[in-house]
Amino acid sequence: KAGVTQTPRYLIKTRGQQVTLSCSPISGHRSVSWYQQTPGQGLQFLFEYFSETQRNKGNFPGRFSGRQFSNSRSEMNVSTLELGDSALYLCASSLAPQQYNEQFFGPGTRLTVL
Amino acid sequence: AQKVTQAQTEISVVEKEDVTLDCVYETRDTTYYLFWYKQPPSGELVFLIRRNSFDEQNEISGRYSWNFQKSTSSFNFTITASQVVDSAVYFCALRTVISSGSARQLTFGSGTQLTVLP
Repeated sequence: KAGVTQTPRYLIKTRGQQVTLSCSPISGHRSVSWYQQTPGQGLQFLFEYFSETQRNKGNFPGRFSGRQFSNSRSEMNVSTLELGDSALYLCASSLAPQQYNEQFFGPGTRLTVL
Repeated sequence: AQKVTQAQTEISVVEKEDVTLDCVYETRDTTYYLFWYKQPPSGELVFLIRRNSFDEQNEISGRYSWNFQKSTSSFNFTITASQVVDSAVYFCALRTVISSGSARQLTFGSGTQLTVLP
């Protein structure tokens, strides 16, 4: 069974630009969550989607948005990039958003903002 | 609010030593789930174990064991006879259930960098 895939793996952007990251969950998984990982802040939750609906949202500005498609694939978008947005963005999928379901993580997208 | 504390930022051991990674959590919810994840240098988080708040049985899986104690709000992880391949960052995480049955977000600790020297 294929794992969670994220594209692209690496991305370099400049301040003010926008970026879209993509995540394909494990087949059969319908819940997708996004996390930002930085050396200073650690792993921080961005949002969680299930059946194309946002179920939970972390404490990030409105520049960060996401969506989920009917095939459970998800995208997250960051507009007006800032230097502080440089991070590893991790996507995780689970069967459903129930609390007991473990999340399976993808390899991440390393975003560098110059 | 829910919070996970991993006080050990970095630990270094020599191969074959036993090592325990500490995890302390805070929550007012009575139903919750605790997780441990491993992040090797490749970057991908690997799920290791899940434990719910109603099951305080310790668990052993090969060289790995977990000690869950509600009385001290701790969920510690021990690696016996450590190996170089165990070198990674280990994260403890918490997910709680609110009264309506909905789950809050998964909250991670800051991680412990374990280095096993040959």
